[in-house]
Amino acid sequence: EPEVTQTPSHQVTQMGQEVILRCVPISNHLYFYWYRQILGQKVEFLVSFYNNEISEKSEIFDDQFSVERPDGSNFTLKIRSTKLEDSAMYFCASSQDRAGNQPQHFGDGTRLSIL
Amino acid sequence: AQTVTQSQPEMSVQEAETVTLSCTYDTSESDYYLFWYKQPPSRQMILVIRQEAYKQQNATENRFSVNFQKAAKSFSLKISDSQLGDAAMYFCAYRSARGNTGKLIFGQGTTLQVKP
Repeated sequence: EPEVTQTPSHQVTQMGQEVILRCVPISNHLYFYWYRQILGQKVEFLVSFYNNEISEKSEIFDDQFSVERPDGSNFTLKIRSTKLEDSAMYFCASSQDRAGNQPQHFGDGTRLSIL
Repeated sequence: AQTVTQSQPEMSVQEAETVTLSCTYDTSESDYYLFWYKQPPSRQMILVIRQEAYKQQNATENRFSVNFQKAAKSFSLKISDSQLGDAAMYFCAYRSARGNTGKLIFGQGTTLQVKP
């Protein structure tokens, strides 16, 4: 069964540095998402992306964050200048459609540790 | 804003027994979708079961079923004949039927332990 793949599985970065998290969604999916989970807290929505633009973003997704689909297969999340509070597990997801009966398929996540 | 609450951080069940995980949510909307996702250790979240709010009939997927009480805004997951492979973190999630993004709102999660 096709899967969403995320790389790297663990990223350690110095505070203030830029980081790019990569995701390869399922090939025929059209909607893409990023979520994050700070240790011990809820999974939180960051952003959704469709047709090469952001559909919705949460208040967490400030100017330090950006997403793009540079080559038609990868879907990336960039954090420009990382802060300690950005340490979390980041999940990418994709779906065929945004309709509620089309499930979102999640990747294994990237654990981001900011030092 | 919608919220989802899972009040049981941890649950345990004996293998082959039945367990129920609780979830409540708050919304002013009448049309929405509810989901249960399973996240095994160090693995991705997998959809277990979904429920459309406009359907009165409770969803069932093999050993997994839900008790959807719309008026009470309750959406519990029942796992029958529990197996060792059911051990995981379970997340309840809400999605509005309005809007155009598919955003999921998650609960805090319940860790299920299955004892042999």
